[in-house]
Amino acid sequence: DAGVIQSPRHEVTEMGQEVTLRCKPISGHNSLFWYRQTMMRGLELLIYFNNNVPIDDSGMPEDRFSAKMPNASFSTLKIQPSEPRDSAVYFCASRTGGPDTQYFGPGTRLTVL
Amino acid sequence: GQQVMQIPQYQHVQEGEDFTTYCNSSTTLSNIQWYKQRPGGHPVFLIQLVKSGEVKKQKRLTFQFGEAKKNSSLHITATQTTDVGTYFCATGGGNKLTFGTGTQLKVEL
Repeated sequence: DAGVIQSPRHEVTEMGQEVTLRCKPISGHNSLFWYRQTMMRGLELLIYFNNNVPIDDSGMPEDRFSAKMPNASFSTLKIQPSEPRDSAVYFCASRTGGPDTQYFGPGTRLTVL
Repeated sequence: GQQVMQIPQYQHVQEGEDFTTYCNSSTTLSNIQWYKQRPGGHPVFLIQLVKSGEVKKQKRLTFQFGEAKKNSSLHITATQTTDVGTYFCATGGGNKLTFGTGTQLKVEL
């Protein structure tokens, strides 16, 4: 079975540019999560969706960050404009409505110069 | 929300030595999950504990949940180089998980 799919795997961009990260959750999973991982702050939950509806976006750092889930098989995390402090690995994870186990994608390593 | 502290932050061991990481909370936890992240990889679910005093084993890994449900531990017996990575505990109810800071394990030959 295909796991959570994320693209791109690596992104290098310049400060001020728009960045869009993509995620395809595991088929049949109805919850989707976006995390950010840095050495300084560890693994932080940014936002999560239940049945395509955003439930908690309290972890989104500021208005430059936005996330959408137009359907059950696709989500995006957008940063506009990007800043060097946004450099991190961004993970998408999904789970079913039952057990709490979250399945993580391979991540997108973002570098903002 | 619930928060967990994890110690130690780093651990270097010789292959064959045992390793333990601890996860502590000031409040009672509804459950505890453990994840492993290999260098350059993503977190992978290992196990979930929900009952007071629960002990579960996976080959050389032993997971415990404290009687008061405020702490948990992961013990690896006779480490191998394949055990290298960062081990995270996580807790939460429903959808929202809060991760500990992780313990980075390095195994030297």
